[in-house]
Amino acid sequence: EVQLVESGGGLVQPGGSLRLSCAASGFTFSNYWMHWVRQAPGKGLVWVSHISSDGTTTNYADSVKGRFTISRDNAKNTLYLQMNSLRAEDTGVYYCARVAMHGGNSLGYWGQGTLVTVSS
Amino acid sequence: DIVMTQSPDSLAVSLGERATINCKSSQSVLYSSNNKNYLAWYQQKPGQPPKLLIYWASTRESGVPDRFSGGGSGTDFTLTISSLQAEDVAVYYCQQYYNTPYSFGQGTKLEIK
Repeated sequence: EVQLVESGGGLVQPGGSLRLSCAASGFTFSNYWMHWVRQAPGKGLVWVSHISSDGTTTNYADSVKGRFTISRDNAKNTLYLQMNSLRAEDTGVYYCARVAMHGGNSLGYWGQGTLVTVSS
Repeated sequence: DIVMTQSPDSLAVSLGERATINCKSSQSVLYSSNNKNYLAWYQQKPGQPPKLLIYWASTRESGVPDRFSGGGSGTDFTLTISSLQAEDVAVYYCQQYYNTPYSFGQGTKLEIK
């Protein structure tokens, strides 16, 4: 069974940093592109970033480019999101997601999410 | 960037009736070389992560009931629930994965009338 478990969220002051982790199990992690998607309280889904299966290709939403860095450790089956220079508008639940088996970059598996709150 | 716009923002349908949600992209998400539309639909219930329903605009994910269907091509897409069940109350999102950033629609809240 595919499992994705996020951790690392919490309360941080504006300008601060956090590193989110997503522990993957139940599949061959190194074979799949992975994504981060966020959701502000009571709002819709926003795609944040993705990374190729080997970690060599990354892309970001304009709103986080230059502040967030996605990475992965295939030996540890773990996805990361390093978030720097955090702003109030970065507040929300951050989900990691794995692409679907046959659906291109559609997101077939999601974690339960980790809450990031940026506030003074 | 591709902008995804859903309509309506909210929808109330009687149990057993048809529900239709629309999604429009600001540019085509049809990739001509493989004739696939890079469009997915998700369902999100309160307190839960999203669940993939449809990919390639019309292919149902494994385990998704056949009352859910997706249609459309190019820039205009629909998600149809043929006979609404109580458990279908949720927010539904479309997403394009044709180009990064892989944008979502704003969501459509589906309720029981």
